[in-house]
Amino acid sequence: GESVGLHLPTLSVQEGDNSIINCAYSNSASDYFIWYKQESGKGPQFIIDIRSNMDKRQGQRVTVLLNKTVKHLSLQIAATQPGDSAVYFCAENRNSGGYQKVTFGTGTKLQVIP
Amino acid sequence: GAGVSQSPSNKVTEKGKDVELRCDPISGHTALYWYRQSLGQGLEFLIYFQGNSAPDKSGLPSDRFSAERTGGSVSTLTIQRTQQEDSAVYLCASSLANGGRETQYFGPGTRLLVL
Repeated sequence: GESVGLHLPTLSVQEGDNSIINCAYSNSASDYFIWYKQESGKGPQFIIDIRSNMDKRQGQRVTVLLNKTVKHLSLQIAATQPGDSAVYFCAENRNSGGYQKVTFGTGTKLQVIP
Repeated sequence: GAGVSQSPSNKVTEKGKDVELRCDPISGHTALYWYRQSLGQGLEFLIYFQGNSAPDKSGLPSDRFSAERTGGSVSTLTIQRTQQEDSAVYLCASSLANGGRETQYFGPGTRLLVL
């Protein structure tokens, strides 16, 4: 079967520390991966993406790492702030029968401890 | 507007009634998605529209659920004979769908409560 799943449903991190959120995927045909952040009462928002021909991509305080060998994706947040508290979803994207199939993971709740 | 909008923001209905949820995607976005999110859960794919192609309806949970997209823009998700288990947040997203990079832009959602 195909799946995109997260290893940890809840992650508590001290303010100022780095956070690492993990995601496993099983479909090797996926060629594009995205991390979304969902704050309480809002829709998910794009954070960062990575194509399958890359293994690392950096943004502002965030880094996404892709390990295709073990089908693993991670989101690293540097110097975690209270505003980072949210649920984080990974998503895999692939072309299937002419349609773009997007599968979301179950989500990890990040709690930042002041 | 600059983003995806959805209406109503909240909807309370009685079991057995029909409801219509509306999504206005970002102008120029050819792809439109509907998802359902139960409390504290992930995103459950419902339906996907891409341009003039036939929609991917593979995620619709029953024949009580249907969706339309008129003129390639506004979409309406209809739930007939609502059940209590239909209570959830219904999220709409749109994307440019250019060459496979499917970054989706989400609306704020419609919170549906079926009594």
